[in-house]
Amino acid sequence: AQSVTQLDSHVSVSEGTPVLLRCNYSSSYSPSLFWYVQHPNKGLQLLLKYTSAATLVKGINGFEAEFKKSETSFHLTKPSAHMSDAAEYFCVVNHGSSNTGKLIFGQGTTLQVKP
Amino acid sequence: GAGVSQSPSNKVTEKGKDVELRCDPISGHTALYWYRQSLGQGLEFLIYFQGNSAPDKSGLPSDRFSAERTGGSVSTLTIQRTQQEDSAVYLCASSDSWRGSETQYFGPGTRLLVL
Repeated sequence: AQSVTQLDSHVSVSEGTPVLLRCNYSSSYSPSLFWYVQHPNKGLQLLLKYTSAATLVKGINGFEAEFKKSETSFHLTKPSAHMSDAAEYFCVVNHGSSNTGKLIFGQGTTLQVKP
Repeated sequence: GAGVSQSPSNKVTEKGKDVELRCDPISGHTALYWYRQSLGQGLEFLIYFQGNSAPDKSGLPSDRFSAERTGGSVSTLTIQRTQQEDSAVYLCASSDSWRGSETQYFGPGTRLLVL
């Protein structure tokens, strides 16, 4: 069965410093992996996705993630945090087996950006 | 273009009442998903539609929950005899196909409070 573990429930960084949000996954199949962001009282927005092409995936707003099969990880990074990055981030894996598109969400990481 | 819309945005109801939540997907999207976001359980899959049929209802928590989709477009999630544990944000998403690699576009959600 597919599952996702976000290793930190809360991450705090200073503006202008790097961001690292960690995600490990478990999958019996070749997964598709996603990072979504949710700003307060807003809907979920796709940041980036991995679908078995390039292992380094670039997304919106300067975020990127690297798929590492040997480590079963898909960590999200950004070189320099901005105040507007403060939000909840979800690492997501697709269910995979019947390819229904059913998504399995991690528990979320709250990113705090301090001035 | 128009994104996924949901109505109502907020719903307060009394325990035991029935509620209907509506989702308008992006025009032309064949796949439609319902998820639930609650404090205790995080984001959980409820049901998935491909066209008007629901191949995967595995996430519906009880037989009080049902959903339908008509005309390959609008979907309604119905909760009968609501309970306080049904309080959550109900999210709808749509995608171009049911393939696991497809991006799902989320609506803003319906916040349900059962008193």
